[in-house]
Formats: sequence, C-alpha cells, structure tokens
Amino acid sequence: DTEVTQTPKHLVMGMTNKKSLKCEQHMGHRAMYWYKQKAKKPPELMFVYSYEKLSINESVPSRFSPECPNSSLLNLHLHALQPEDSALYLCASSPGQGRNTEAFFGQGTRLTVV
Amino acid sequence: GQSLEQPSEVTAVEGAIVQINCTYQTSGFYGLSWYQQHDGGAPTFLSYNALDGLEETGRFSSFLSRSDSYGYLLLQELQMKDSASYFCARFGRDDKIIFGKGTRLHILP
Repeated sequence: DTEVTQTPKHLVMGMTNKKSLKCEQHMGHRAMYWYKQKAKKPPELMFVYSYEKLSINESVPSRFSPECPNSSLLNLHLHALQPEDSALYLCASSPGQGRNTEAFFGQGTRLTVV
Repeated sequence: GQSLEQPSEVTAVEGAIVQINCTYQTSGFYGLSWYQQHDGGAPTFLSYNALDGLEETGRFSSFLSRSDSYGYLLLQELQMKDSASYFCARFGRDDKIIFGKGTRLHILP
C-alpha cells in the first residue's frame, strides 16, 4: 500500500474562516511533508515533520499551522488566508531519517480563498 | 545551495526515446528522484537513485552520476499518455525534498 490520503479534495474558504487539511498514511513512514503548488510551478516545500516533530519550516506565514498528532496523521490548520494562498496543497510521506528511497504524494487539496 | 536545473520543455514523437536531464547542487545530497505529474493531478513517484548508475523500471530508466552532480530520466517507446510534466527532486540528508522547476514533455503523433 503506497497510499497517502488527503481530505478534503476541494475547499473554498473566506478570508476570515478557519479550516483544516488532513493527511493520512499507513506505510510506516516517519517523515511527512506539506507542499504548496501553484499552476505550472513545481511543488514548493512548506513543512517537514520527522518522527512527529517539526524539523523544517520554510519560512511559512503563521496563518498556516501544521500539526502531527501521531505517526500516521498530518494536519494543516488554515486561518485568515489571503486570495494568493489559493493553490493545490500536497501532503507526502517518506521513510525518513536518512533511509529515504521514495516519497509518495496524496492527491492534494485544491484550495480557493475568496 | 539546493537548487536543481532541468529543461523547461521537451518535444518528442510517439514511439521515440527521450532523455530529460537534471543537474543539482551537492550540499547535503542524499539521492535523486523523478516524478510525473499530469495536469490537474498529483506528482507520481517514478524512480530513485542514491548510487551511480542506471535504474530501470519498465519503459522508464533513471541515471545518476554523483561525481558530475547530474542525473537523467529516460523514457522509451513514448506513448501519448506520457505527455506530462516531469520533475527531478533532490533528497537531502535532513529529509528535505526539493523539486526542480519541471520539464513539460510534449509528444507528437
């Protein structure tokens, strides 16, 4: 099973809303990632969790707040977003800790901020 | 630095062979991976190289030369469904995975 599951698939939110994106994997991977992707651009790394601890934050604005409740789950909490935050948000997982030989992506959440 | 360079577009004919090159910066480098992404879809893992040499998976092969900080993806017997964007991605020792800007592959009938 190489599946990473993301919910919801689509999300429309207002600039004053609070919402959360969810990601789940059951491959026993210990590194989990959030990426943001705009049209015709590469995925842009936002956060990395390694063994449920935040190890990398690529200077992401605080209106994006990640959370890793356990080794299988990853959340991204959204608050007071701007229209320019509209994008495809991708979750990925990999074995982690120098054992990375693969990384698998979920299908993404297509976010529209109005 | 951790940036990667790959061509922005490549065009090939159905049934032919195409090679997409990628150069990367070596600081903290652990391995190089390749992803396919169709319009509206998510990146799909194709291959991974940590050691020098060629890895073959069906019609797709990937090569790495650590001494040259260079890799490539080779696609054989091209099919129309291979029209997509292809990304090389650099795996770091800190678990960071950074993507190149992507190569848009156009396939002509």
